[in-house]
Amino acid sequence: QLHLQESGPGLVKPSETLSLTCAVSGVFISSSRYYWDWIRQPPGKGLEWIGNIYYSGSTYYNPSLKSRVTISVDMSKNQFSLKLSSVTAADTAVYYCARQGGSHPGTPIDYWGQGALVTVSS
Amino acid sequence: DIVMTQSPDSLAVSLGERATINCKSSQSVLSSSKNQNYLAWYQQKAGQPPKLVIHWASTRESGVPDRFTGSGSGTDFTLTISSLQAEDVAVYFCQQYYSTPYTFGQGTKLEIK
Repeated sequence: QLHLQESGPGLVKPSETLSLTCAVSGVFISSSRYYWDWIRQPPGKGLEWIGNIYYSGSTYYNPSLKSRVTISVDMSKNQFSLKLSSVTAADTAVYYCARQGGSHPGTPIDYWGQGALVTVSS
Repeated sequence: DIVMTQSPDSLAVSLGERATINCKSSQSVLSSSKNQNYLAWYQQKAGQPPKLVIHWASTRESGVPDRFTGSGSGTDFTLTISSLQAEDVAVYFCQQYYSTPYTFGQGTKLEIK
């Protein structure tokens, strides 16, 4: 059974970099041809897709965040990560890591982590 | 970007009655080559991550009760819950995965009347 778990600081200062990691268990990222995603949800609001990474390392980013986002994968630890630079209060959200259930970009998200609340405040 | 618009924003339905949620995309999410609509529905209960309910517009995810039905094609889609149960109280989101950036509807809050 696939399990995704986000981890990282719950509080980040304005202008600094938000860093989160998603630990994957139940499947090896290196041998499974899936896309691994980051999605966020501001408190009480809707869902925003941030971007994804394929097991090969290729990435797609939301253009609205592209200049500030980096998604990477660490095969040795079976995890993938999100970095969002120059954060403001508008980046306060629950951040979810997730998996798309297929080997091509256009597939639905079938597994989600529980989410990690990140607050941007001084 | 493809804009997804849901209606209504909130909905109150009596137990055992039908609930209908609509989703409209700003451009078609139908792949003519694959004859598939790249449209999913998610259910999000309070304090939980979203859960995939319907994908490819009308395919029920494994384990989802058959009272959940997805329909529509092109730009207009509907999620129907045929007989509302207490455990169906949640916010429902549609999402297109036809093209990046993937986008979600604003959500429809479903409550018991």
